Amino acid sequence: GQQVMQIPQYQHVQEGEDFTTYCNSSTTLSNIQWYKQRPGGHPVFLIQLVKSGEVKKQKRLTFQFGEAKKNSSLHITATQTTDVGTYFCAGRRSGGYNKLIFGAGTRLAVHP
Amino acid sequence: EAGVAQSPRYKIIEKRQSVAFWCNPISGHATLYWYQQILGQGPKLLIQFQNNGVVDDSQLPKDRFSAERLKGVDSTLKIQPAKLEDSAVYLCASSLRGQGVDEQYFGPGTRLTVT
Repeated sequence: GQQVMQIPQYQHVQEGEDFTTYCNSSTTLSNIQWYKQRPGGHPVFLIQLVKSGEVKKQKRLTFQFGEAKKNSSLHITATQTTDVGTYFCAGRRSGGYNKLIFGAGTRLAVHP
Repeated sequence: EAGVAQSPRYKIIEKRQSVAFWCNPISGHATLYWYQQILGQGPKLLIQFQNNGVVDDSQLPKDRFSAERLKGVDSTLKIQPAKLEDSAVYLCASSLRGQGVDEQYFGPGTRLTVT
C-alpha cells in the first residue's frame, strides 16, 4: 500500500539556524499537506500543495512539491523557539477517493 | 468559530475493559475522521464518515472497534475489549468536504492508557 516517509526523524538546531524536513511517497500524489503538532498538542494544518513543482512560502517557512509529485520538503529559515514541534507531511494518492496518509513526522528541537 | 471538541481528554482502563470517546466536529463540516496516534508516529486513519455514511474503515480493527455518527454530526468511537496496544491518542478531525484539497481540523484528542 501507499507509504509516506519522512526524514530526519529528529533534528536539533540552535536558534537562528535553518531546518529542512523531507517527505517521500511510494506513489504519485494528487496533493500533499503539511501539519505542525506542538508538544502535547494536536496537528494543525499549515499548507497544501497541489501542482507539480509548486513552491509556497509562509513567512520563514518554504514548502516545495516535487516535479514528479512524489516528494516534498519544508524549509524553515532562521529557526525560533516557537518553531518547536513535530512537522508531519500527509499525502493523498492520485485517482478517485484516497485517504490522507501521514508520515511519521520530524521532531524539531530549537536550543536558544 | 468553535473548534473540534472531544471528550474525555484522558482515560485509563485495564485491558479487556471497554471505553468510548465522543467527538463534536466543527459546525457545517460534512466529513469526520477518527485517527489513532501512537507515541512517536503519525496519525493513522481508523474511519472516515461523510455525513453519517462510512467512506473508509479499512484500518479499523472491527473485531474490537466500532464507530457511529448519528444524524451526521456527533460521533462516538468505542473499543471493546481493549488491549495493551490500544494505548494511544485518539484524534477526531473534521473537514468541509473530505475530498481533494480539503484541510482537516483536529480536536485536542483523548489520551488512552490501557494497563
